[in-house]
Amino acid sequence: TQLLEQSPQFLSIQEGENLTVYCNSSSVFSSLQWYRQEPGEGPVLLVTVVTGGEVKKLKRLTFQFGDARKDSSLHITAAQPGDTGLYLCAGVRAGNNRKLIWGLGTSLAVNP
Amino acid sequence: GAGVSQTPSNKVTEKGKYVELRCDPISGHTALYWYRQSLGQGPEFLIYFQGTGAADDSGLPNDRFFAVRPEGSVSTLKIQRTERGDSAVYLCASSLAQGAFEQFFGPGTRLTVL
Repeated sequence: TQLLEQSPQFLSIQEGENLTVYCNSSSVFSSLQWYRQEPGEGPVLLVTVVTGGEVKKLKRLTFQFGDARKDSSLHITAAQPGDTGLYLCAGVRAGNNRKLIWGLGTSLAVNP
Repeated sequence: GAGVSQTPSNKVTEKGKYVELRCDPISGHTALYWYRQSLGQGPEFLIYFQGTGAADDSGLPNDRFFAVRPEGSVSTLKIQRTERGDSAVYLCASSLAQGAFEQFFGPGTRLTVL
């Protein structure tokens, strides 16, 4: 059973389009993080959200933590080829130890 | 360096051989994590160190896998009697003891078992 469900698993879009990636769980998380990974490299942290309902923006990327802290979304506006990569969500479950629970990732391809 | 470093970047070995993978965490980070990642998948947790001790080794797949961190800094992941199914990218990450547990990753070691 996957504790963090990410969708979609694969996404191929044209430059300039918008997209949303979802990360859902039945468990409550005390914090949730989004990472981006390029081929041959380790994941790079984009953002951490800790408060239910929190919204954070990073240039064209908007991250939202659900009110109940069970889900999160990543929205990219006007995607560019440089956004291509594997997007991963990971969270620390409330009341649990420090081990991150990982989603399986969303592989995004932005075509010029 | 400022980031997490891992050596070697690539390792090719034969089935049945022993391998060691090394991780140098960010200076001052007391927590260190090992993950295994297959192509296009998220990281799979292996083991977590807090200081010198393994706080959680529940992700190690079997007793062929072992990791140490004798001085609370550099860590070595050791795999005995390698099998073809061990082929993957092995990632190391480190974090501070406090905060939201953000983890900073190294570039990984790509292990190929022939």
